[in-house]
Amino acid sequence: DADVTQTPRNRITKTGKRIMLECSQTKGHDRMYWYRQDPGLGLRLIYYSFDVKDINKGEISDGYSVSRQAQAKFSLSLESAIPNQTALYFCATSDPGRSPEKLFFGSGTQLSVL
Amino acid sequence: RKEVEQDPGPFNVPEGATVAFNCTYSNSASQSFFWYRQDCRKEPKLLMSVYSSGNEDGRFTAQLNRASQYISLLIRDSKLSDSATYLCVVTSASGTYKYIFGTGTRLKVLA
Repeated sequence: DADVTQTPRNRITKTGKRIMLECSQTKGHDRMYWYRQDPGLGLRLIYYSFDVKDINKGEISDGYSVSRQAQAKFSLSLESAIPNQTALYFCATSDPGRSPEKLFFGSGTQLSVL
Repeated sequence: RKEVEQDPGPFNVPEGATVAFNCTYSNSASQSFFWYRQDCRKEPKLLMSVYSSGNEDGRFTAQLNRASQYISLLIRDSKLSDSATYLCVVTSASGTYKYIFGTGTRLKVLA
């Protein structure tokens, strides 16, 4: 079983729709992250959360929001999807109690906005 | 200048070859360093952490040169299954987020 689970795996939607991507983890890690990956650009951080009450913007948070419902769950929402949000989205976790602190990724969500 | 730079490749090598990738980073105060492997459209998976003393895991050797601010990955006796994109990842010393990703170096091992 995957330690970091993302749903859905693939999603096609239309411009203007609200979309939620979900992430759950069984690793017991406090820290969770949302990244997007675009060809040639590498992974870019959207939002991160270091515990349930802590939410922080990353480098490309505009047009996105998140919710940390529990230690194990971190959801990403696109309030009104636009075509340039078409990308591969990854959730990740890390454990600050381990050194070096490594990132563990979910299997990704391919989102296409038409 | 990008914070983490990698040659995008592709590096096309025959089976059994030795191949080396380099990665440079701009922040001298960066703290931790990693190589991740990513197969097409799949999630990045940790290959190895990188230490100043150098470290080896089977056919893979990683080195960190803090003075020159670069990280290297050496793959010996390349296998077809090594074909993937290799991501250099550096943690920031401060700021709003911790992990900075290179865009990756693509490796193709040819039969």
